[in-house]
Amino acid sequence: DSGVTQTPKHLITATGQRVTLRCSPRSGDLSVYWYQQSLDQGLQFLIHYYNGEERAKGNILERFSAQQFPDLHSELNLSSLELGDSALYFCASSGGLAGSTDTQYFGPGTRLTVL
Amino acid sequence: AQSVTQLDSHVSVSEGTPVLLRCNYSSSYSPSLFWYVQHPNKGLQLLLKYTSAATLVKGINGFEAEFKKSETSFHLTKPSAHMSDAAEYFCVVILISSGSARQLTFGSGTQLTVLP
Repeated sequence: DSGVTQTPKHLITATGQRVTLRCSPRSGDLSVYWYQQSLDQGLQFLIHYYNGEERAKGNILERFSAQQFPDLHSELNLSSLELGDSALYFCASSGGLAGSTDTQYFGPGTRLTVL
Repeated sequence: AQSVTQLDSHVSVSEGTPVLLRCNYSSSYSPSLFWYVQHPNKGLQLLLKYTSAATLVKGINGFEAEFKKSETSFHLTKPSAHMSDAAEYFCVVILISSGSARQLTFGSGTQLTVLP
């Protein structure tokens, strides 16, 4: 158990809908990262938040957004869903900005299925 | 820009024989490299990481990896495979996009099958 929690585990929804995925980092971790894992694209970095502020963006679509709250949990919002958004979404956390060797600890993921 | 290439998409070994999963990296400076493992329907678990302290890195479950700068490689090995090692393995490099931003860049993964 990494200490990172994600809810829900599974989500089934229809095209055009909007969903929110939630992540709670390990106790004391200030950084939260979101990744998408799909069969055709592999594992891709979406976005990084540190202590409530956005720090880096990867291959995140404009239909997707994220935020990190004062209690450090994070939410990933996916809107106008398309079939191709079906994937496993992972959240990871790390201690912060101290050096370039921060280890990221991954949650169990949320499996999103868009029908 | 940093990137990693996993040279084999599938590796199959017999139980009790050695495991070799190959990874080459590309980086404009000394990289931080990781190996993660993903068991079916599970999250990603850190096996080991290289952070320039020692070129031979020991990880969990008997795995180790050697950083070879001259070959730009970071291959993962285990002397004797166990059935429970069957999983997908990812070689990962950390990208620092600005002073404080970090993101992991994943290889395409190697599916390890262990035969009885």
